[in-house]
Amino acid sequence: ETGVTQSPTHLIKTRGQQVTLRCSSQSGHNTVSWYQQALGQGPQFIFQYYREEENGRGNFPPRFSGLQFPNYSSELNVNALELDDSALYLCASSLDKAYGYTFGSGTRLTVV
Amino acid sequence: GEDVEQSLFLSVREGDSSVINCTYTDSSSTYLYWYKQEPGAGLQLLTYIFSNMDMKQDQRLTVLLNKKDKHLSLRIADTQTGDSAIYFCAETYGYGQNFVFGPGTRLSVLP
Repeated sequence: ETGVTQSPTHLIKTRGQQVTLRCSSQSGHNTVSWYQQALGQGPQFIFQYYREEENGRGNFPPRFSGLQFPNYSSELNVNALELDDSALYLCASSLDKAYGYTFGSGTRLTVV
Repeated sequence: GEDVEQSLFLSVREGDSSVINCTYTDSSSTYLYWYKQEPGAGLQLLTYIFSNMDMKQDQRLTVLLNKKDKHLSLRIADTQTGDSAIYFCAETYGYGQNFVFGPGTRLSVLP
């Protein structure tokens, strides 16, 4: 049973650019949630996908968008990057939105 | 509103017990969690407690929940240097809801 894998592990982008982060959910999991963790803070909920549909969203602007694919892998897209978007982006998966979430190791995004 | 608070730092000697505290504001929380994050890594689930319980023990870990005061604690017995990490308290509401995390407590274990 593989865990949650995220790619890339590190990324540097310029302000105003767009970025796509990827997440492969744990085998058998159909729910994916994305979190943003700024330096020195706890993770903040961005949104959740369940069976390819968005199933809840945190307090993030529309330039943060996502997708979930039929194999339940997921993408997080961020447009018009700002310096404050620099953070660790965490993906977590579970089966049927239940409490057994498994977190990936994250993608460290730096915006310069 | 949703808010989880934790003290930011804790330092203990190897072999002592560590107690990490957390307060939350939403009484409708159903599950409360403790996660561990080591440098450069994601989050590792340590343990969780359902809101109708007041204590849960799992090897070296003991979780205490005081629902009246909305206070959660994690006790680590016989703390080792490998326990040095950031510990996050988190809550969820209902089934399938998102986590609300605290700011994390950085535990340093001194030899």
